[in-house]
Amino acid sequence: QKEVEQNSGPLSVPEGAIASLNCTYSDRVSQSFFWYRQYSGKSPELIMSIYSNGDKEDGRFTAQLNKASQYVSLLIRDSQPSDSATYLCAVSLSGNQFYFGTGTSLTVIP
Amino acid sequence: ETGVTQTPRHLVMGMTNKKSLKCEQHLGHNAMYWYKQSAKKPLELMFVYNFKEQTENNSVPSRFSPECPNSSHLFLHLHTLQPEDSALYLCASSQKSRGQETQYFGPGTRLLVL
Repeated sequence: QKEVEQNSGPLSVPEGAIASLNCTYSDRVSQSFFWYRQYSGKSPELIMSIYSNGDKEDGRFTAQLNKASQYVSLLIRDSQPSDSATYLCAVSLSGNQFYFGTGTSLTVIP
Repeated sequence: ETGVTQTPRHLVMGMTNKKSLKCEQHLGHNAMYWYKQSAKKPLELMFVYNFKEQTENNSVPSRFSPECPNSSHLFLHLHTLQPEDSALYLCASSQKSRGQETQYFGPGTRLLVL
């Protein structure tokens, strides 16, 4: 049984549009939630972390967390071709337990 | 580029070889991790060390042997690997701060087993 689920995509959006990436998790005691961006052949790079219900904004990125629905999302406003990558959702329980989804591939079309 | 470095970046080895992957973190973190990333699969956690002590061994075959001499260094010793072990091996570190823990990754070692 998967801990973290993401739509693998590919998700394609035109340049300037909003890209919406979704993630659900199975463990209700999950405490911390992360979005990583991974370019092809590179390692995951942390974009956002969110720990409490609601929205968290950082530049063009907004993370949304709904613990009751066990759902976390990432919105990318004004999408750019450089945003084309695989986005990994990660969930942390307690201690050093991190669980990752398979990632959603995003392509921003110029 | 990041506070976590890995060497080598690329490695090709035969099934009878012995090699080691090295990871070093410069972030003052107290936890370090090895992950395996294969195509179309989620990141697979292999080992976790917390304050140099191994706290997680995620049913990894014995042909992978970790070593953590101190909180800043982590090794993964490889021997008699199989072609299916070809993957990107990622090291990460983390530190709990104000009840929250965030993980940072190194650039990875791309391993090919022939």
